[in-house]
Amino acid sequence: AQSVTQLGSHVSVSEGALVLLRCNYSSSVPPYLFWYVQYPNQGLQLLLKYTSAATLVKGINGFEAEFKKSETSFHLTKPSAHMSDAAEYFCAVSDVGATNKLIFGTGTLLAVQP
Amino acid sequence: KAGVTQTPRYLIKTRGQQVTLSCSPISGHRSVSWYQQTPGQGLQFLFEYFSETQRNKGNFPGRFSGRQFSNSRSEMNVSTLELGDSALYLCASSLDRTHNSPLHFGNGTRLTVT
Repeated sequence: AQSVTQLGSHVSVSEGALVLLRCNYSSSVPPYLFWYVQYPNQGLQLLLKYTSAATLVKGINGFEAEFKKSETSFHLTKPSAHMSDAAEYFCAVSDVGATNKLIFGTGTLLAVQP
Repeated sequence: KAGVTQTPRYLIKTRGQQVTLSCSPISGHRSVSWYQQTPGQGLQFLFEYFSETQRNKGNFPGRFSGRQFSNSRSEMNVSTLELGDSALYLCASSLDRTHNSPLHFGNGTRLTVT
């Protein structure tokens, strides 16, 4: 069965520091992976997606993620954190044979300190 | 282009009642999926509709049902409400059922069961 694991339910960084949010996947087939962000009282917004075209995926708001098959990882990074990046981030994998059935990780709440 | 619209935004119901939530997808999108978000269970897939047919269903009891209309709008219904049904219900739409068409989420309906 497909699954994703997000390490660290809470991450705190200083403004201007590197953001690194970790996601490991478990998949029986080449996975389709996603990162979503959720701001308070809002729905989920797609940051980026991996669909096997390129291992380094660039998303919106300066975020990017690298697919590493050898490490079964899809970590999300941003070189310099901004206060507006404070939100909850979810990694997700598409279920086999069910494109729009996403299996989400438990989320990582990112705090950005001034 | 208008995003995914969910109504109502907030709902308070009593245990044993039933509730209907509505979702209007982005214009031209034909797939609508529903997810439940709770602090304890996280984000869980409920079901997906495409061309008025349920294509996938998550692991929820039969009290949870949905439907899709010819204009792609969707409703979900929960009967005999339980306290544990309190959650944020998110609707997502996509153009089709390929990986080139990611999910776009609405802001959700927050259901409180008392």
